[in-house]
Amino acid sequence: DAGVTQSPTHLIKTRGQQVTLRCSPISGHKSVSWYQQVLGQGPQFIFQYYEKEERGRGNFPDRFSARQFPNYSSELNVNALLLGDSALYLCASSFLANTEAFFGQGTRLTVV
Amino acid sequence: EDQVTQSPEALRLQEGESSSLNCSYTVSGLRGLFWYRQDPGKGPEFLFTLYSAGEEKEKERLKATLTKKESFLHITAPKPEDSATYLCAVQAEAGNNRKLIWGLGTSLAVNP
Repeated sequence: DAGVTQSPTHLIKTRGQQVTLRCSPISGHKSVSWYQQVLGQGPQFIFQYYEKEERGRGNFPDRFSARQFPNYSSELNVNALLLGDSALYLCASSFLANTEAFFGQGTRLTVV
Repeated sequence: EDQVTQSPEALRLQEGESSSLNCSYTVSGLRGLFWYRQDPGKGPEFLFTLYSAGEEKEKERLKATLTKKESFLHITAPKPEDSATYLCAVQAEAGNNRKLIWGLGTSLAVNP
């Protein structure tokens, strides 16, 4: 069975640009969450979607947005990139909104 | 404020030397405590979920336990392949917000 898949695996962007990260959850999972992880830190919660509705939002600026599609895949968009947005972006899927989450390998975003 | 603290920050063991990692938490209504293992540059790998005080779970050389204020991850006779960062996360009651609150992790190195 395929796990959580994220694309791309690595990305380099320039300050001020926009980026879209993609996530496909485990088959049958209806909830997708996005996290930002800076080196040496634990993941920081950005968004959770369940059944295509936003169920939670972390303390991130409005430059960050996300959506979930009818097939439960998800996109994370970040506008007006800053150097501080450089991080590992993790997507996690779970069957329900409050069950254990399984993570993808992440997208390494570097903003220069 | 909901908080998760892991100790020690780093731990170096000899192969076969058993030890324990600690995760203490202060949250308003625990819905679940999760242990993950993370290798460098990769997404966290799910290990255990604990829901109530007194609960224990085991997997190979790992055993997780839960009290009302903390959780322990016991590692018995570790091997070099157990070297990784071990992350603890807590899901707390917060209306519809199902975010996980993460500790900073314990970096474990097992020497052969």
